[in-house]
Amino acid sequence: QTVVTQESSLSVSPGGTVTLTCGLSSGSVSASHYPSWYQQTPGQAPRTLIDSRNTRSSGVPDRFSGSILGNKAALTITGAQAEDESDYYCLLYMGTGANWVFGGGTKLTVL
Amino acid sequence: QVQLVESGGGVVQPGRSLRLSCTASGFTFSSYGMHWVRQAPGKGLEWVAVIWYDGSDKYYADSVKGRFTISRDNSKNTLYLQMNSLRAEDTAVYYCANLLGYCTGGSCYGGGSLDYWGQGTLVTVSS
Repeated sequence: QTVVTQESSLSVSPGGTVTLTCGLSSGSVSASHYPSWYQQTPGQAPRTLIDSRNTRSSGVPDRFSGSILGNKAALTITGAQAEDESDYYCLLYMGTGANWVFGGGTKLTVL
Repeated sequence: QVQLVESGGGVVQPGRSLRLSCTASGFTFSSYGMHWVRQAPGKGLEWVAVIWYDGSDKYYADSVKGRFTISRDNSKNTLYLQMNSLRAEDTAVYYCANLLGYCTGGSCYGGGSLDYWGQGTLVTVSS
């Protein structure tokens, strides 16, 4: 059973930089997992931030960026804003058999 | 603009069935694979199922395999999720989303992430 791991919660000061990570319980995340990132505020549907091409979706500010850091995928917010306070989910493509697995989500607080 | 509108949710007893629909507009529906994703109350997102652009392949999460069936009608720009033998743990908001990229056979080239999302429809399984 594949488990995708994320920090349960993080905090950042306004204007600060924060990195959220996305790992695997067994093994490393690589580019072949095509990580993508999603933002969700309470009561709203999720929206796509970074797609599996590592491209920001339409309308997403350039302070959001995706990367692979070591053995994990990462979402970095540079110059965090109050409106970035949300839940963030990563999604990994597990390849053959075509299935995808979400991480458990990170609750980001901006204070 | 792209719009995805889910419908069909409601309250259903355990063991019964329900069919969800997702009506698409603003893009060429027949050219895109489609995902279903769900979110139980107060919990995280769970990927449920995917169907290729032409309906040729379908894949499911283990938690719903054998009980749920994803399908589409490209002439009606509509995606479906037939849910049978429903359980309390299927209670969730169900979202549809289009798939980014090209999928064929058993693989998605470019990862097939979710692109645009609908607003969701709530399914409650309770006696």
